[in-house]
Amino acid sequence: NAGVMQNPRHLVRRRGQEARLRCSPMKGHSHVYWYRQLPEEGLKFMVYLQKENIIDESGMPKERFSAEFPKEGPSILRIQQVVRGDSAAYFCASSPGTGVLEKLFFGSGTQLSVL
Amino acid sequence: GESVGLHLPTLSVQEGDNSIINCAYSNSASDYFIWYKQESGKGPQFIIDIRSNMDKRQGQRVTVLLNKTVKHLSLQIAATQPGDSAVYFCAEIPNTGGFKTIFGAGTRLFVKA
Repeated sequence: NAGVMQNPRHLVRRRGQEARLRCSPMKGHSHVYWYRQLPEEGLKFMVYLQKENIIDESGMPKERFSAEFPKEGPSILRIQQVVRGDSAAYFCASSPGTGVLEKLFFGSGTQLSVL
Repeated sequence: GESVGLHLPTLSVQEGDNSIINCAYSNSASDYFIWYKQESGKGPQFIIDIRSNMDKRQGQRVTVLLNKTVKHLSLQIAATQPGDSAVYFCAEIPNTGGFKTIFGAGTRLFVKA
């Protein structure tokens, strides 16, 4: 049973380009979460999705950022017109969605570098 | 609560000693608390959890203590090993509905051989 898979592992973009980060949850998991981490800092919640629905996007900037989790395929975090301040590690996590209180299973992250 | 852009506090211990990592959480209504371990270049990994109706829970070499009166959580690691070197995060799940997990600022643990 493969864990949470994120790709690419490293992504380099120039200012103004678009970044697309992919996350495939663990098999059987229907809940996906995206977190952002700056060096030497904790993980900051961005968005929580279930299949085809955004449940909580309170941590995601209103502009340039979007997320989706389609019925088929991976969850995508999309950052348009990237700026240097977007450089960070972006982690995806999944959970089964079967209980009220659940631990998260994390992928290895995508390191985004904006030149 | 949410991390606020501070450099990580660091705890340095000798191999074989016990480690205690502390965390203050923000939401008195949180139902569930988890400790995660993050090694360099990897995502966080679950270590141990505790529900709000408990004050102590033990795992293999790890113990979590919860003091709801002062909103304090601690992780105790017995006989610390070099492989325990990592950043440790406490996390809380508020009972506001949904599954959003809020991470604390983290503590870096160095284990000296």
